[in-house]
Amino acid sequence: DVKVTQSSRYLVKRTGEKVFLECVQDMDHENMFWYRQDPGLGLRLIYFSYDVKMKEKGDIPEGYSVSREKKERFSLILESASTNQTSMYLCASSFRSYATGFNEKLFFGSGTQLSVL
Amino acid sequence: DQQVKQNSPSLSVQEGRISILNCDYTNSMFDYFLWYKKYPAEGPTFLISISSIKDKNEDGRFTVFLNKSAKHLSLHIVPSQPGDSAVYFCAASLNYGGATNKLIFGTGTLLAVQP
Repeated sequence: DVKVTQSSRYLVKRTGEKVFLECVQDMDHENMFWYRQDPGLGLRLIYFSYDVKMKEKGDIPEGYSVSREKKERFSLILESASTNQTSMYLCASSFRSYATGFNEKLFFGSGTQLSVL
Repeated sequence: DQQVKQNSPSLSVQEGRISILNCDYTNSMFDYFLWYKKYPAEGPTFLISISSIKDKNEDGRFTVFLNKSAKHLSLHIVPSQPGDSAVYFCAASLNYGGATNKLIFGTGTLLAVQP
Protein backbone atom coordinates (compact mmCIF):
# COMPACT_ATOMS: atom_id res chain seq x y z
CA ASP A 1 0.00 0.00 0.00
CA VAL A 2 1.08 3.54 -0.72
CA LYS A 3 2.03 5.44 2.37
CA VAL A 4 2.05 9.22 2.55
CA THR A 5 3.32 10.42 5.90
CA GLN A 6 2.91 13.91 7.26
CA SER A 7 5.32 14.75 10.05
CA SER A 8 2.84 16.27 12.50
CA ARG A 9 -0.81 15.54 13.23
CA TYR A 10 -1.36 18.76 15.19
CA LEU A 11 0.70 21.95 15.19
CA VAL A 12 0.24 25.23 17.05
CA LYS A 13 2.24 28.25 15.95
CA ARG A 14 2.26 31.97 16.59
CA THR A 15 1.59 34.72 14.08
CA GLY A 16 4.74 35.66 12.19
CA GLU A 17 6.53 32.36 12.75
CA LYS A 18 8.06 30.46 9.85
CA VAL A 19 6.36 27.06 9.64
CA PHE A 20 7.53 23.91 7.89
CA LEU A 21 5.14 21.07 7.06
CA GLU A 22 6.85 17.91 5.91
CA CYS A 23 5.51 15.12 3.73
CA VAL A 24 7.15 11.86 2.70
CA GLN A 25 5.83 9.21 0.30
CA ASP A 26 7.26 5.74 -0.09
CA MET A 27 6.01 4.70 -3.54
CA ASP A 28 8.42 6.55 -5.82
CA HIS A 29 5.63 8.80 -7.12
CA GLU A 30 6.62 11.62 -9.46
CA ASN A 31 3.82 14.00 -8.46
CA MET A 32 3.26 15.53 -5.06
CA PHE A 33 0.64 18.03 -3.93
CA TRP A 34 -0.29 20.25 -1.01
CA TYR A 35 -3.98 21.02 -0.33
CA ARG A 36 -5.73 22.77 2.48
CA GLN A 37 -9.19 21.79 3.68
CA ASP A 38 -11.55 24.36 5.18
CA PRO A 39 -15.22 23.99 6.12
CA GLY A 40 -17.48 24.99 3.27
CA LEU A 41 -14.57 25.38 0.86
CA GLY A 42 -13.50 21.78 0.28
CA LEU A 43 -9.92 21.00 -0.70
CA ARG A 44 -7.98 23.76 -2.39
CA LEU A 45 -4.66 23.23 -4.16
CA ILE A 46 -1.77 25.30 -2.82
CA TYR A 47 1.27 23.99 -4.73
CA PHE A 48 2.30 20.88 -6.57
CA SER A 49 5.43 19.33 -7.97
CA TYR A 50 5.87 16.90 -10.85
CA ASP A 51 9.57 16.25 -10.38
CA VAL A 52 12.48 16.95 -8.07
CA LYS A 53 13.17 20.69 -7.81
CA MET A 54 10.12 21.43 -9.98
CA LYS A 55 7.12 23.24 -8.55
CA GLU A 56 3.96 24.87 -9.81
CA LYS A 57 1.46 27.17 -8.16
CA GLY A 58 -1.96 25.85 -7.42
CA ASP A 59 -5.07 27.93 -6.86
CA ILE A 60 -4.09 29.59 -3.56
CA PRO A 61 -0.28 29.90 -3.40
CA GLU A 62 -0.14 33.29 -1.67
CA GLY A 63 1.74 33.16 1.63
CA TYR A 64 3.20 29.73 0.90
CA SER A 65 6.29 28.26 -0.73
CA VAL A 66 7.44 24.69 -1.28
CA SER A 67 10.62 22.69 -1.56
CA ARG A 68 11.28 19.38 -3.28
CA GLU A 69 14.93 18.43 -2.97
CA LYS A 70 14.32 14.68 -3.03
CA LYS A 71 11.71 12.71 -4.92
CA GLU A 72 10.07 11.29 -1.81
CA ARG A 73 9.85 14.52 0.18
CA PHE A 74 7.73 17.63 -0.39
CA SER A 75 7.77 20.46 2.12
CA LEU A 76 5.26 23.27 2.52
CA ILE A 77 6.59 26.49 4.03
CA LEU A 78 4.58 29.27 5.58
CA GLU A 79 7.02 32.19 5.42
CA SER A 80 5.22 34.25 8.06
CA ALA A 81 2.24 32.44 9.53
CA SER A 82 -1.04 34.32 9.81
CA THR A 83 -4.29 33.44 11.52
CA ASN A 84 -6.06 32.92 8.17
CA GLN A 85 -3.67 30.04 7.52
CA THR A 86 -5.24 28.05 10.35
CA SER A 87 -6.44 24.98 8.49
CA MET A 88 -6.12 21.25 7.83
CA TYR A 89 -3.21 20.69 5.44
CA LEU A 90 -3.20 17.56 3.29
CA CYS A 91 -0.29 16.22 1.31
CA ALA A 92 -0.85 13.85 -1.60
CA SER A 93 1.17 12.00 -4.20
CA SER A 94 0.43 10.30 -7.48
CA PHE A 95 2.10 8.19 -10.09
CA ARG A 96 2.64 9.67 -13.53
CA SER A 97 1.12 7.50 -16.24
CA TYR A 98 3.48 7.58 -19.20
CA ALA A 99 0.65 6.43 -21.44
CA THR A 100 -1.48 9.46 -20.75
CA GLY A 101 1.01 11.82 -19.15
CA PHE A 102 -0.84 12.06 -15.90
CA ASN A 103 -2.62 10.07 -13.25
CA GLU A 104 -5.54 11.43 -11.34
CA LYS A 105 -5.55 9.02 -8.41
CA LEU A 106 -4.07 10.89 -5.51
CA PHE A 107 -2.95 9.15 -2.34
CA PHE A 108 -3.34 11.38 0.67
CA GLY A 109 -1.65 11.62 4.03
CA SER A 110 -3.69 11.88 7.23
CA GLY A 111 -3.30 15.65 7.39
CA THR A 112 -1.80 18.25 9.69
CA GLN A 113 -4.17 20.46 11.66
CA LEU A 114 -2.37 23.78 11.96
CA SER A 115 -3.53 26.45 14.36
CA VAL A 116 -1.97 29.91 14.12
CA LEU A 117 -2.56 32.03 17.21
CA ASP B 1 -15.08 30.94 -8.38
CA GLN B 2 -16.10 27.40 -7.47
CA GLN B 3 -15.70 25.27 -10.57
CA VAL B 4 -16.87 22.09 -8.85
CA LYS B 5 -19.92 22.38 -6.63
CA GLN B 6 -21.59 20.04 -4.21
CA ASN B 7 -24.74 21.85 -3.21
CA SER B 8 -25.81 19.47 -0.46
CA PRO B 9 -23.55 19.82 2.57
CA SER B 10 -25.14 16.78 4.20
CA LEU B 11 -27.33 13.78 3.44
CA SER B 12 -28.97 11.24 5.73
CA VAL B 13 -30.25 7.86 4.51
CA GLN B 14 -31.43 4.61 6.07
CA GLU B 15 -29.26 1.52 5.95
CA GLY B 16 -30.09 -0.58 2.90
CA ARG B 17 -31.48 2.34 0.92
CA ILE B 18 -29.86 4.16 -1.97
CA SER B 19 -27.60 7.17 -1.35
CA ILE B 20 -27.32 9.69 -4.19
CA LEU B 21 -24.63 12.34 -3.97
CA ASN B 22 -24.61 15.10 -6.56
CA CYS B 23 -21.93 17.28 -8.10
CA ASP B 24 -22.09 20.07 -10.67
CA TYR B 25 -19.23 21.63 -12.59
CA THR B 26 -18.79 24.66 -14.78
CA ASN B 27 -15.69 23.97 -16.88
CA SER B 28 -16.37 21.90 -20.00
CA MET B 29 -12.63 21.24 -20.32
CA PHE B 30 -12.62 18.78 -17.40
CA ASP B 31 -11.74 15.38 -18.82
CA TYR B 32 -11.89 13.07 -15.81
CA PHE B 33 -14.01 12.97 -12.67
CA LEU B 34 -13.38 11.24 -9.38
CA TRP B 35 -15.05 10.64 -6.04
CA TYR B 36 -13.10 10.51 -2.81
CA LYS B 37 -14.27 9.44 0.63
CA LYS B 38 -12.94 10.95 3.84
CA TYR B 39 -13.32 9.66 7.38
CA PRO B 40 -12.55 11.97 10.33
CA ALA B 41 -8.83 12.19 11.18
CA GLU B 42 -7.88 10.45 7.93
CA GLY B 43 -6.90 11.67 4.49
CA PRO B 44 -9.31 11.26 1.56
CA THR B 45 -9.22 7.92 -0.22
CA PHE B 46 -10.04 7.29 -3.86
CA LEU B 47 -13.43 5.65 -4.44
CA ILE B 48 -14.38 5.63 -8.12
CA SER B 49 -13.74 7.62 -11.28
CA ILE B 50 -15.17 8.20 -14.74
CA SER B 51 -13.71 9.49 -17.96
CA SER B 52 -15.53 12.27 -19.80
CA ILE B 53 -16.04 9.94 -22.76
CA LYS B 54 -18.27 7.65 -20.67
CA ASP B 55 -21.61 8.20 -18.99
CA LYS B 56 -21.51 5.46 -16.37
CA ASN B 57 -18.98 3.52 -14.35
CA GLU B 58 -19.79 0.84 -11.81
CA ASP B 59 -17.74 -0.76 -9.06
CA GLY B 60 -19.62 -3.02 -6.69
CA ARG B 61 -22.10 -0.97 -4.69
CA PHE B 62 -20.84 2.29 -6.20
CA THR B 63 -21.93 3.74 -9.54
CA VAL B 64 -21.01 7.11 -10.96
CA PHE B 65 -23.14 8.74 -13.66
CA LEU B 66 -21.98 11.60 -15.87
CA ASN B 67 -24.28 13.93 -17.78
CA LYS B 68 -21.98 16.17 -19.81
CA SER B 69 -24.72 18.27 -21.35
CA ALA B 70 -25.93 19.20 -17.87
CA LYS B 71 -22.38 19.32 -16.45
CA HIS B 72 -23.56 17.06 -13.67
CA LEU B 73 -22.36 13.87 -12.09
CA SER B 74 -23.74 11.74 -9.33
CA LEU B 75 -22.56 8.93 -7.10
CA HIS B 76 -25.03 6.17 -6.24
CA ILE B 77 -24.40 3.83 -3.33
CA VAL B 78 -26.65 0.78 -3.21
CA PRO B 79 -27.27 -0.57 -0.66
CA SER B 80 -26.00 2.01 1.80
CA GLN B 81 -24.20 0.71 4.88
CA PRO B 82 -23.32 2.46 8.17
CA GLY B 83 -19.63 2.17 7.26
CA ASP B 84 -20.31 4.43 4.27
CA SER B 85 -20.85 7.36 6.65
CA ALA B 86 -18.15 9.85 5.69
CA VAL B 87 -17.55 13.06 3.76
CA TYR B 88 -17.62 12.53 0.00
CA PHE B 89 -15.68 14.84 -2.30
CA CYS B 90 -16.27 15.16 -5.99
CA ALA B 91 -13.17 16.11 -8.01
CA ALA B 92 -12.49 17.05 -11.61
CA SER B 93 -9.24 16.77 -13.51
CA LEU B 94 -8.02 19.58 -15.71
CA ASN B 95 -5.30 19.18 -18.30
CA TYR B 96 -3.90 22.68 -18.33
CA GLY B 97 -1.04 21.78 -20.66
CA GLY B 98 1.52 21.28 -17.93
CA ALA B 99 3.42 18.20 -16.80
CA THR B 100 0.55 16.86 -14.75
CA ASN B 101 -3.13 17.42 -14.32
CA LYS B 102 -4.70 19.43 -11.54
CA LEU B 103 -7.49 17.99 -9.46
CA ILE B 104 -10.14 20.50 -8.43
CA PHE B 105 -12.31 19.40 -5.54
CA GLY B 106 -15.84 20.25 -4.52
CA THR B 107 -16.85 21.33 -1.03
CA GLY B 108 -17.91 17.87 0.12
CA THR B 109 -21.11 16.19 1.26
CA LEU B 110 -21.38 14.56 4.67
CA LEU B 111 -23.25 11.27 4.32
CA ALA B 112 -24.81 9.72 7.41
CA VAL B 113 -26.21 6.21 7.03
CA GLN B 114 -28.61 5.41 9.86
CA PRO B 115 -28.79 1.78 11.08
